[in-house]
Amino acid sequence: GQQLNQSPQSMFIQEGEDVSMNCTSSSIFNTWLWYKQDPGEGPVLLIALYKAGELTSNGRLTAQFGITRKDSFLNISASIPSDVGIYFCAGAMKTSYDKVIFGPGTSLSVIP
Amino acid sequence: DSGVTQTPKHLITATGQRVTLRCSPRSGDLSVYWYQQSLDQGLQFLIHYYNGEERAKGNILERFSAQQFPDLHSELNLSSLELGDSALYFCASSVDTGYEQYFGPGTRLTVT
Repeated sequence: GQQLNQSPQSMFIQEGEDVSMNCTSSSIFNTWLWYKQDPGEGPVLLIALYKAGELTSNGRLTAQFGITRKDSFLNISASIPSDVGIYFCAGAMKTSYDKVIFGPGTSLSVIP
Repeated sequence: DSGVTQTPKHLITATGQRVTLRCSPRSGDLSVYWYQQSLDQGLQFLIHYYNGEERAKGNILERFSAQQFPDLHSELNLSSLELGDSALYFCASSVDTGYEQYFGPGTRLTVT
């Protein structure tokens, strides 16, 4: 079935550093979504991308919809302690079964 | 606050029992999705309802079932519970099918 891969699986960075993570798939999607989950909480939608090549920002976060439609990237600039959490990408494709596929997540730890 | 509510927040029960988890979507959203998240695992899609009709099934066990009622709230029924069913169960809602999903705070189920 369809699967998403996220890298890195986990990362430890110093406060103030920039962060880059990506999500890849063997299938094409027409929507990419990025979520952040704090421990014990529900995922929170950060950014939604609807067009190949699209670059969208939300504060210190910037995400891009890959040209091939098989990947997406998330960058966080000037990280702060509250950026700690798990970042999930999700791909959506209008199919006969209308399903959103989630990646396994990237765990981010920020060292003050 | 995503606007999606889930009850109860915590549930502790014994093996072999049956429980019902409840979800109320955001006002105006017609789609409800259910996900299971085990410890340190990603989000496993269970089932999707749109305006009262089942639209997609993921890795949902036969012991699990769900429905969406005319007022659009949804219930996930888990029966013959096993220890391995202990997990966080999230529901999410969206205006239409797929695309931007907004997650509730989750129900933490512990089977003892």
